[in-house]
Amino acid sequence: AQSVTQLGSHVSVSEGALVLLRCNYSSSVPPYLFWYVQYPNQGLQLLLKYTTGATLVKGINGFEAEFKKSETSFHLTKPSAHMSDAAEYFCAVSGGNQGGKLIFGQGTELSVKP
Amino acid sequence: GAVVSQHPSWVICKSGTSVKIECRSLDFQATTMFWYRQFPKQSLMLMATSNEGSKATYEQGVEKDKFLINHASLTLSTLTVTSAHPEDSSFYICSARPGGGETQYFGPGTRLLVL
Repeated sequence: AQSVTQLGSHVSVSEGALVLLRCNYSSSVPPYLFWYVQYPNQGLQLLLKYTTGATLVKGINGFEAEFKKSETSFHLTKPSAHMSDAAEYFCAVSGGNQGGKLIFGQGTELSVKP
Repeated sequence: GAVVSQHPSWVICKSGTSVKIECRSLDFQATTMFWYRQFPKQSLMLMATSNEGSKATYEQGVEKDKFLINHASLTLSTLTVTSAHPEDSSFYICSARPGGGETQYFGPGTRLLVL
């Protein structure tokens, strides 16, 4: 079975500050890991993903995440927050015999203060 | 690339009527499509997995006779909410996965309001 835990349902940062959104996963098979962003009343947009290979993955809009197997983590970071980064962020895991299903975390709402 | 559309984006209907939502992959072929439901301030709840040319697989607790899914082609899946009731009001989101791929690409969602 697979599961995802996102620590913190709401994170608030100042514009220009570091963004850190935490994600820990549980998986009995090598995981595929994803971060998606959702703006109000919209679908989900893929930010980045880890499947195999390099553990530090870079995504769109300046975001990156590092797969740490020993810590079962896939935290999302961005060096400098912009007002436009305010949104809901979802971490998800898939893999193994789940039929490609994504298991989502609860989501983290990011607020950016001017 | 990897664009998924949904139609309609908004629908308001009377209780007891049926509503059909379309999900299309515009620039790739999707062997598998997924349907999700999202309540306000919550994560996505998977309703069913749809494979082209075969019956959908529903998650536990999802009524297959109420939420009819058809995946007739590699670029189109439809979700029909039959005899809709106010408790079916929600945000419905589809996703599509290219053949052989591991990434799901999401549509913009459909907001359903049943009066």
